Amino acid sequence: AQSVTQLDSQVPVFEEAPVELRCNYSSSVSVYLFWYVQYPNQGLQLLLKYLSGSTLVKGINGFEAEFNKSQTSFHLRKPSVHISDTAEYFCAVSRLNTGKLIFGQGTTLQVKP
Amino acid sequence: GAGVSQSPSNKVTEKGKDVELRCDPISGHTALYWYRQSLGQGLEFLIYFQGNSAPDKSGLPSDRFSAERTGGSVSTLTIQRTQQEDSAVYLCASSLVLAGGGGEQFFGPGTRLTVL
Repeated sequence: AQSVTQLDSQVPVFEEAPVELRCNYSSSVSVYLFWYVQYPNQGLQLLLKYLSGSTLVKGINGFEAEFNKSQTSFHLRKPSVHISDTAEYFCAVSRLNTGKLIFGQGTTLQVKP
Repeated sequence: GAGVSQSPSNKVTEKGKDVELRCDPISGHTALYWYRQSLGQGLEFLIYFQGNSAPDKSGLPSDRFSAERTGGSVSTLTIQRTQQEDSAVYLCASSLVLAGGGGEQFFGPGTRLTVL
């Protein structure tokens, strides 16, 4: 079975500061990794995904994530956040050849002016 | 083009009643998923349809929950004899099926179910 742990339930940060949202996963088989974002009163939207290849993945809105197999981590980063980045962020995994997503508990990013 | 749509957007029901939630996936997407989002449990996988294959029902929490997908398109999630713990936002997603998996899932706005 797979599981995902998002280490911080809430991350407050000031505008234009860098941010890292942490995600660790557990799986006995190879997995794909995803970050989804849920803006207030909106649906889930894919930020980025890692399937294979380069371990540094770039997504929308200036976000990037790095897959670290030895540490089973997939942390999300942004060098300078905006107020509009305030949202809930979900890390997820899926086994190869299946689309079923297993989500972490989510991290609320609160960007303050 | 149109995204994933779900109806109703809100549903309030009494404990013990049956409810049906509808999902219209993006045209051409052969995979369809149901998830549940609640305060206590976060985002949970419920069921997954892919083409003509048997659905993966491994996430359904009890036999009161069932889902079907007619004609490879619209899906209905049915909850029988609703309980208060069924209160949640039910999300539907659809995707293309890529060789080896990993296709982006596009989510609908959800149906907020409240069981009184």
